Amino acid sequence: SSELTQDPAVSVALGQTVRITCQGDSLRRYYASWYQQKPGQAPVLVIYGKNNRPSGIPDRFSGSSSGNTASLTITGAQAEDEADYYCNSRDSSDNHVVFGGGTKLTVL
Amino acid sequence: QLQLQESGPGLVKPSETLSLTCTVSGGSISSSSYYWGWIRQPPGKGLEWIGTIYYSGSTYYNPSLKSRVTVSVDTSKNQFSLKLSSVTAADTAVYYCARWSYGGNNHFDYWGQGTLVTVAS
Repeated sequence: SSELTQDPAVSVALGQTVRITCQGDSLRRYYASWYQQKPGQAPVLVIYGKNNRPSGIPDRFSGSSSGNTASLTITGAQAEDEADYYCNSRDSSDNHVVFGGGTKLTVL
Repeated sequence: QLQLQESGPGLVKPSETLSLTCTVSGGSISSSSYYWGWIRQPPGKGLEWIGTIYYSGSTYYNPSLKSRVTVSVDTSKNQFSLKLSSVTAADTAVYYCARWSYGGNNHFDYWGQGTLVTVAS
């Protein structure tokens, strides 16, 4: 089955823009979805599909994709955006599901 | 509003079988275009997909766990379940159930709150 690779940690200054990336062969065929997880809480979907936000997710969150790389961009990062972020997609060869290893975002 | 709730023992002995149930409320587990999945997260680590099931009973499992995992569905109770056999300390984790929206935009859109299962004697 496929794998998704994320940088373990990323930092951003308050109010600045940050991009979190996810690489994998399955992303050539399927869009990634992105989840935010804060300590002690369940993951929350923030981006899915080409660039769709569920109801209640701020518009500073956006998604994009090129080749085998998907990106989550936070434009104007806020202190409450400090969290772990995971990408996820369907496996390229079957109906399996795969998660990236996660990126810890620190807002300075 | 769809809600999912995991239930089951919080402590399982090594070599025994872990059993969890996810109860779905606010919607039907028999909805088309949706699968139902289990995901786990060991303490301090990332998310790991365990398996997914369609209301008809079709299942897909993580190859690394396939020999020990069974996911089943009970449409009459609007529930689906997880069984993981021959558990070890490495299976200690928070276990989540979630709805998998299947098709062009694949994603887990609704999650349970998670339940911690500890494997210890």
